[in-house]
Amino acid sequence: SQQGEEDPQALSIQEGENATMNCSYKTSINNLQWYRQNSGRGLVHLILIRSNEREKHSGRLRVTLDTSKKSSSLLITASRAADTASYFCAIDTGGFKTIFGAGTRLFVKA
Amino acid sequence: DAGVIQSPRHEVTEMGQEVTLRCKPISGHNSLFWYRQTMMRGLELLIYFNNNVPIDDSGMPEDRFSAKMPNASFSTLKIQPSEPRDSAVYFCASSLGLGPLTDTQYFGPGTRLTVL
Repeated sequence: SQQGEEDPQALSIQEGENATMNCSYKTSINNLQWYRQNSGRGLVHLILIRSNEREKHSGRLRVTLDTSKKSSSLLITASRAADTASYFCAIDTGGFKTIFGAGTRLFVKA
Repeated sequence: DAGVIQSPRHEVTEMGQEVTLRCKPISGHNSLFWYRQTMMRGLELLIYFNNNVPIDDSGMPEDRFSAKMPNASFSTLKIQPSEPRDSAVYFCASSLGLGPLTDTQYFGPGTRLTVL
């Protein structure tokens, strides 16, 4: 499968802790994106990292990309209850098609 | 901008009936995507269009599914006849369509389809 595979499938942490989610893929990519989905809603784009970038930050989010290992990680620092959602990585192998993984369900306990 | 608009938000129908889902992409976006999401199969790309032309429909599960994009501001996904296994949330998304280095997708709120 070309799609990204997130790990872990589910994660439960206390508010204030950091949350780390990983994504592995099997093919070469142009970019990798992370999305968030709140229950019952559509996906919302969080951050895009290009294949020639190694790290990117956006607020409390930090994304790393290791193309040699074909993996990416999403770190959410100082998590909040509002961060409770599913998080998806999506890989772009070319053209206009983005392939989504199965997602990590994050639950942040207040 | 209002974002991607989908209608209806909820649809309950009986097996064998025709179902039409509608999507209005963000103005100025050139690419449009239809996805299906279920607990068992996750998020599946069904078809995507660029400049109103279907580029890849390999994700369309069966001939019962068809999609059209008659103009830049409207697309439909039709299921005829519908079956209970088609029950899912169907998302429409759009993007600028400028290419893989810049594209992010903007998702609509989804249509929750239940086929009895």
